[in-house]
Amino acid sequence: SYDLTQPPSVSVAPGQTATITCSGDKLRNKYACWYQQKPGQSPVLILYQDKKRPSGISERFSGSGSGNTATLTISETQAMDEADYYCQAWDSNAPWVFGGGTKLTVL
Amino acid sequence: QVQLVQSGAEVKKPGSSVKVSCTASGGTFITYSFSWVRQAPGQGLEWMGGIIPIFGTTSNGQIFRGRVTITADKPSNTVYLELNNLRSEDTAVYYCVRDNGEGADYWGQGTLVTVSS
Repeated sequence: SYDLTQPPSVSVAPGQTATITCSGDKLRNKYACWYQQKPGQSPVLILYQDKKRPSGISERFSGSGSGNTATLTISETQAMDEADYYCQAWDSNAPWVFGGGTKLTVL
Repeated sequence: QVQLVQSGAEVKKPGSSVKVSCTASGGTFITYSFSWVRQAPGQGLEWMGGIIPIFGTTSNGQIFRGRVTITADKPSNTVYLELNNLRSEDTAVYYCVRDNGEGADYWGQGTLVTVSS
């Protein structure tokens, strides 16, 4: 089991908005990071500090955090966004905690 | 451009040990911390532990305590993961990850470790 809870799967039509939540006590008073992992590839950091994007990450990815829940939003979803998404409660001074992952399917 | 290059796939017997290396290039090695994250087939991500090379300090995930050793060699910009007393459940892809203080910003290509008799 995982300390952070994510929906196992989310489906979205092309061009629509996908929302993936991440919740758990480990998120309280911590920032969330989000990672995208495509089949056969290493994960990629797409959001940190709840909502900041690393260089090169599309503006279609956004995030928010409140209380013990973090949310990843993908706007104008494209086929290339189909992947597994993992949240992480970020704390450099504590053990890393990941969510169980969400498989995003673009219909 | 930062790159983390890991050693190749391993096949091990139950009860044996494995040591995986990760060599960093393109960045300042000692000012970052590095962690190891593993992913069993079809499963999610699991943090194993980390090291801050400049200090040599390490931390391990609780379920791995006693079986995991993480070390760093500063001259070669390399971090190592050693996992002892291997079990079939340790079959996974092991990733080396750089921690920039805000997230795991660079990941190695992964090393598949297969534990089988």
